[in-house]
Amino acid sequence: DMQMTQSPSSLSASVGDRVTITCRASQDISSYLNWYQQKPGKAPKVLIYATSSLHSGVPSRFSGSGSGTDFTLTISSLQPEDFATYYCQQNYGTPWTFGQGTKVEFK
Amino acid sequence: EGQLVESGGGLVQPGGSLRLSCVATGFSFSSSWMSWVRQAPGKGLEWVANIKEDGTEKDYVDSVKGRFTVSRDNAKKSLYLQMNSLRVEDTAVYYCARRNRWYRYNWFDPWGQGTLVTVSS
Repeated sequence: DMQMTQSPSSLSASVGDRVTITCRASQDISSYLNWYQQKPGKAPKVLIYATSSLHSGVPSRFSGSGSGTDFTLTISSLQPEDFATYYCQQNYGTPWTFGQGTKVEFK
Repeated sequence: EGQLVESGGGLVQPGGSLRLSCVATGFSFSSSWMSWVRQAPGKGLEWVANIKEDGTEKDYVDSVKGRFTVSRDNAKKSLYLQMNSLRVEDTAVYYCARRNRWYRYNWFDPWGQGTLVTVSS
């Protein structure tokens, strides 16, 4: 199975900070990479699909980049509602697999 | 965008069975691939199963093959997950989700609120 490794596992940041989360695939997945946000007790929500396409309604401060095995989610200016856990997910081949998550906490 | 509502979770003993349901509203269920994704307490997300629009194609993660069966009833706009021979490690919140597709790209949206399955003696 394809392994997805996120780093860091957690980070502390302040409102207004630029935040970058990375996701590495164990093999080339082209651009078949999605990002989700999950808040405690809630279902995940898609932020970005196909590496860099912003899902409808998602603020433009979120962006994604990368290809092959290395991908990045960037939040350009962290807002209070962005404190959450973020997951990457590959859909290159089944079983579709997720990263272990990156928890963004308030500094 | 649509909405999904799961039900059927609960406490079951190891080796037991449970059937989860998911009802869809607000989108064309019969034209949508659907999926189940689970999350063990305090852990990450794990894709469990996919089912094609007409139910003719199904796919599962290896850990549930032969024990879980995904099905659907398009007339009732409902998705199901029959879980047999449950193990302690199947304890999780189970989410149903629509599998969106654009060219060969796929992503999950929307998700249901989840239903908790606890396997314990």
